[in-house]
Amino acid sequence: GENVEQHPSTLSVQEGDSAVIKCTYSDSASNYFPWYKQELGKGPQLIIDIRSNVGEKKDQRIAVTLNKTAKHFSLHITETQPEDSAVYFCAASRGGTTGNQFYFGTGTSLTVIP
Amino acid sequence: DTGVSQNPRHKITKRGQNVTFRCDPISEHNRLYWYRQTLGQGPEFLTYFQNEAQLEKSRLLSDRFSAERPKGSFSTLEIQRTEQGDSAMYLCASSFGENTIYFGEGSWLTVV
Repeated sequence: GENVEQHPSTLSVQEGDSAVIKCTYSDSASNYFPWYKQELGKGPQLIIDIRSNVGEKKDQRIAVTLNKTAKHFSLHITETQPEDSAVYFCAASRGGTTGNQFYFGTGTSLTVIP
Repeated sequence: DTGVSQNPRHKITKRGQNVTFRCDPISEHNRLYWYRQTLGQGPEFLTYFQNEAQLEKSRLLSDRFSAERPKGSFSTLEIQRTEQGDSAMYLCASSFGENTIYFGEGSWLTVV
């Protein structure tokens, strides 16, 4: 099955700086890569996603890049704010009727220092 | 708010007891998923329904676990003869068709 690795496991940045979280995946058939933000005691919330036919996607301060050849994708958060502090998870999926389960990374705990 | 709803949010049970969690997906979402998450880990896939049909089950889903989605709307996840290792957050998610899934707030289970 798919194996998703995520780095770093913890990340501290000063408010206003950028944060980058990286993930690699093993299954070349994976074609959908969402990122989730999880606050303490809550369920994961989708913040951005990218499909395999696109190399980059941006939504305000958040961007995701995908390198299919190298099988890695990254989350970029610019101008970080204290409310960005949370655990972030990447995931990969092959889609389809029998391949729609998502494989998650182990998470990155981001702390934005005011 | 018409997001994914899970009940109960917290459950403390004694080892050996049975527990049941309910999930109400986003209206008109035909796919429903159950995941389990322990502290410091990402969600792990348990099972997935398309309408009322259970299409995939993880090896993590032992025979003590059973999930149903009788009318293709809400779903229940039952754990029989709970063990301490079952303590985790059980997450439900739903989607319409492939790919983008939306999670509920989770149901915390503590087995004492």
